[in-house]
Amino acid sequence: AQSVTQLDSQVPVFEEAPVELRCNYSSSVSVYLFWYVQYPNQGLQLLLKYLSGSTLVKGINGFEAEFNKSQTSFHLRKPSVHISDTAEYFCAVSELSGYSTLTFGKGTMLLVSP
Amino acid sequence: GAGVSQSPRYKVAKRGQDVALRCDPISGHVSLFWYQQALGQGPEFLTYFQNEAQLDKSGLPSDRFFAERPEGSVSTLKIQRTQQEDSAVYLCASSSHVVTGGVGEKLFFGSGTQLSVL
Repeated sequence: AQSVTQLDSQVPVFEEAPVELRCNYSSSVSVYLFWYVQYPNQGLQLLLKYLSGSTLVKGINGFEAEFNKSQTSFHLRKPSVHISDTAEYFCAVSELSGYSTLTFGKGTMLLVSP
Repeated sequence: GAGVSQSPRYKVAKRGQDVALRCDPISGHVSLFWYQQALGQGPEFLTYFQNEAQLDKSGLPSDRFFAERPEGSVSTLKIQRTQQEDSAVYLCASSSHVVTGGVGEKLFFGSGTQLSVL
């Protein structure tokens, strides 16, 4: 079984500052990794994914994440945040093969202030 | 419709009442998932349908929870004799793909039903 840890429940940051949201996972097999974003009163939207290949993946809205297998991490970064990035961010994992559903972390609330 | 639609958007129930939550997936999507998201938590898997077949119900927390998808399209999550601990947002997601490891990239989520049990 896999699990996801998002250590930061809230990350406050000023507009135009860089941000990193941390995600660590645990699994006995190879995994796919995802970041989802949830804006208030909206459903989850896929931000980016790592399936294979380059460990640095780019997503929508200027976000990127780096897969680090040795550290079992998949941290999300953005060099300069906007007010509109204020939202809840969820890291998720699923196993590489066979039947596997998504397992989510508890989420990190990104609060961007002017 | 263009996306996954869930109704009602909000539901308030008295403890002990039965509730039914509806999910309209994207037309033609074979896979349908229900997730429960408690306050301050990430979504937790409840059950999975492939067309009308419920292939996995391992996440349903008790026998008070029941889900169906009789014609392989609309799904209903029913909770009998609701308890306060059932208060959560219930999310539905659908996919045109059957479940494999990469399904997360092909999932479309609804906005959820917020259930409050008083």
